[in-house]
Amino acid sequence: DVKVTQSSRYLVKRTGEKVFLECVQDMDHENMFWYRQDPGLGLRLIYFSYDVKMKEKGDIPEGYSVSREKKERFSLILESASTNQTSMYLCASISPGQGRTEAFFGQGTRLTVV
Amino acid sequence: SQQGEEDPQALSIQEGENATMNCSYKTSINNLQWYRQNSGRGLVHLILIRSNEREKHSGRLRVTLDTSKKSSSLLITASRAADTASYFCATDAKGAQKLVFGQGTRLTINP
Repeated sequence: DVKVTQSSRYLVKRTGEKVFLECVQDMDHENMFWYRQDPGLGLRLIYFSYDVKMKEKGDIPEGYSVSREKKERFSLILESASTNQTSMYLCASISPGQGRTEAFFGQGTRLTVV
Repeated sequence: SQQGEEDPQALSIQEGENATMNCSYKTSINNLQWYRQNSGRGLVHLILIRSNEREKHSGRLRVTLDTSKKSSSLLITASRAADTASYFCATDAKGAQKLVFGQGTRLTINP
């Protein structure tokens, strides 16, 4: 079974802190994504990556950065956390190179910034 | 910007009834997918329909795709309380390498 693992289920951070959200997948998928999910707004794409060291901005990249040093790991970084970044963060991966575009999701990280 | 728009935003029906959710999108696609999300969890893939397909079945799920209208529907037959969840459509736009999700339909099945 494909597994996408997010490092934390719940996080509480203070305003101004630098926050790292980690995501690891074990199926050699090329593409990885970070979404945030807020009530009434659905899933919004923050960043995605289609290869190691490659990254593309999604719809709402402001206030975030990402890192993909290894194929299996995709990190989301909140440079200086703010209360409006309180949200559910979801990581996903797909493998177009294997002819499969269905996404596999992690369990989500609920981040609260106080 | 959101590619997919689900309709209705919320749906409440009795157990045993059928549930229909709709999705509209804006650009040409390779395929369209439906996902389910239980409260507070990650999304789980349900079914994928390719742009050259019109209908697809999987168990109690039936998906249709009308590329001329840029719309899709998900039908869940003989609903069960365990089907209570949010359902999202996602599109894989031609030339893109990303999935874009709609806002979701929150489905409640009443026992």
